Amino acid sequence: GQQLNQSPQSMFIQEGEDVSMNCTSSSIFNTWLWYKQDPGEGPVLLIALYKAGELTSNGRLTAQFGITRKDSFLNISASIPSDVGIYFCAGHPDSWGKLQFGAGTQVVVTP
Amino acid sequence: GAVVSQHPSRVICKSGTSVKIECRSLDFQATTMFWYRQFPKQSLMLMATSNEGSKATYEQGVEKDKFLINHASLTLSTLTVTSAHPEDSSFYICSARVPRTHEQYFGPGTRLTVT
Repeated sequence: GQQLNQSPQSMFIQEGEDVSMNCTSSSIFNTWLWYKQDPGEGPVLLIALYKAGELTSNGRLTAQFGITRKDSFLNISASIPSDVGIYFCAGHPDSWGKLQFGAGTQVVVTP
Repeated sequence: GAVVSQHPSRVICKSGTSVKIECRSLDFQATTMFWYRQFPKQSLMLMATSNEGSKATYEQGVEKDKFLINHASLTLSTLTVTSAHPEDSSFYICSARVPRTHEQYFGPGTRLTVT
């Protein structure tokens, strides 16, 4: 089936630093979604992207839908301790198909 | 964003018993809901797609007779794990898609432990 490659697998950063992660696919995606999951909780939708080239911000988070429609990235600026968690990219390879998930990026923020 | 609730948050049951998990969309009607299973330190694995008023669509390898799904209303889908075994112990998460969008919102998850 479709595979989303998400990297990096984990990141250990200091508070105040910026974080960047990305997701790539071998085929075109119609939507990209970014989620954050805290331990023992369900994923929370952070940003949804619908158009190639689209750049969307949500507070300190910025995500972009790649021009080729095969990738997306998420940036977190000026990280704080509550940014700790696992971030998942997800996307729809066709209009109303099943959501495909990346393997997740674990972010650890140290004071 | 939209809100999805899930109940119970945790359940412990004995082998051979059945457990029902409820998933509700609280502020929107969801014709399509999804059930996922998540193992520790792994991504979400789709089990089935639940469509209101029709039979669920199960992913390959998921036993439909073991994981019964009912989506009887536009705001409620249930997952029943029948004759549970210890290997069914996992974190089960539901999600609901907001109509006419591609946005899926997840419930808080249910931790099932089968002893």
